[in-house]
Amino acid sequence: AQKVTQAQTEISVVEKEDVTLDCVYETRDTTYYLFWYKQPPSGELVFLIRRNSFDEQNEISGRYSWNFQKSTSSFNFTITASQVVDSAVYFCALNAGGTSYGKLTFGQGTILTVHP
Amino acid sequence: EAGVAQSPRYKIIEKRQSVAFWCNPISGHATLYWYQQILGQGPKLLIQFQNNGVVDDSQLPKDRFSAERLKGVDSTLKIQPAKLEDSAVYLCASSLEYGVDQPQHFGDGTRLSIL
Repeated sequence: AQKVTQAQTEISVVEKEDVTLDCVYETRDTTYYLFWYKQPPSGELVFLIRRNSFDEQNEISGRYSWNFQKSTSSFNFTITASQVVDSAVYFCALNAGGTSYGKLTFGQGTILTVHP
Repeated sequence: EAGVAQSPRYKIIEKRQSVAFWCNPISGHATLYWYQQILGQGPKLLIQFQNNGVVDDSQLPKDRFSAERLKGVDSTLKIQPAKLEDSAVYLCASSLEYGVDQPQHFGDGTRLSIL
């Protein structure tokens, strides 16, 4: 069975602070993909990044960076110099094989509030 | 490129009534998904289609929920009769192909309230 845990329910920061959102996953499959989505108040889930299980290179995109560590089954997301527009719910998700092939399993989400 | 379109945006009905949601995926996307998102939780897959065939509907409460994707493009999700616990946001998503590596692109969702 697949499982994704986002232990941080809510995080509150002041603008320009760095913030890291944690994600821990469980799967028995050796081939899988991890995703991060952003859900602003408007409700639409916005795709941010995809990472496959064979690529442990960290990735940076502007103020966003992702740290994938297979040894600890974690795929953490860091926002550098946070801005008010980053306020949203962030979801980590897993897509693996077996009976869950093609199905995204989401974590509970982390509510990020960035105060001016 | 136009995104995933969903309607209506909001719906309020009384329990035991029926309701239908419509989804138009991104053009050319073969796979379509319906998710249920209860307040404070992550989305949960209800059903996924590959073209006009059902790939997985194991989480769909088939005694009250039904979905179809005629002609492999638009899709409709129906609830009949609705229960109080069906209050949620119903999200439609699509991906280019069917696979574990496929990013899924979501619509704005339909927020359903059951009175």
